[in-house]
Amino acid sequence: ETGVTQSPTHLIKTRGQQVTLRCSSQSGHNTVSWYQQALGQGPQFIFQYYREEENGRGNFPPRFSGLQFPNYSSELNVNALELDDSALYLCASSFGGLAGNYEQYFGPGTRLTVT
Amino acid sequence: GDSVTQMEGPVTLSEEAFLTINCTYTATGYPSLFWYVQYPGEGLQLLLKATKADDKGSNKGFEATYRKETTSFHLEKGSVQVSDSAVYFCAPSSSGNTPLVFGKGTRLSVIA
Repeated sequence: ETGVTQSPTHLIKTRGQQVTLRCSSQSGHNTVSWYQQALGQGPQFIFQYYREEENGRGNFPPRFSGLQFPNYSSELNVNALELDDSALYLCASSFGGLAGNYEQYFGPGTRLTVT
Repeated sequence: GDSVTQMEGPVTLSEEAFLTINCTYTATGYPSLFWYVQYPGEGLQLLLKATKADDKGSNKGFEATYRKETTSFHLEKGSVQVSDSAVYFCAPSSSGNTPLVFGKGTRLSVIA
């Protein structure tokens, strides 16, 4: 069984640029959630995708957007990068949409640095 | 909305000491409760969970009991090892596949 993978591992961008982060969900999972973890803080929920539709969103501006593909992998896109976007971005996959309480399995994260 | 309060770290213990990390939560309905662990430079790993009142989750020597009356889910381990050094996060999840709500976490350092 393949776990959750994320790419790239690290990247450095300049303020104002755009970035795309990628996540492959665990086999059998159809839900992907994205979290932002600033240094020394806990992860903060960005949004969730279930069966290719956005299924909930945290308190993040519209320049944070996402996609989920038919194979349930996902992308997180951030436009007009700001210095405060520097963080570890975590992807978590799980099974099931709105019913039940399902365990979320996290990937290793992508460390984004904005200069 | 859901929220969680964990004891402030860092917590420094000697090897084989007893560990308690306190966690209290606020959530609607009957949430599931999770403890996640983050080792240096890594993502989060699910450590244990409990889905209803009085359930005890356990894994790798760690335990936590779902206490609905006190809205708590304290993490305990009888004898910590250096390899347990990490940041620990308590997280409730109210219903459905809802997002986890994390606090700042508790950093544990175990010294030999």
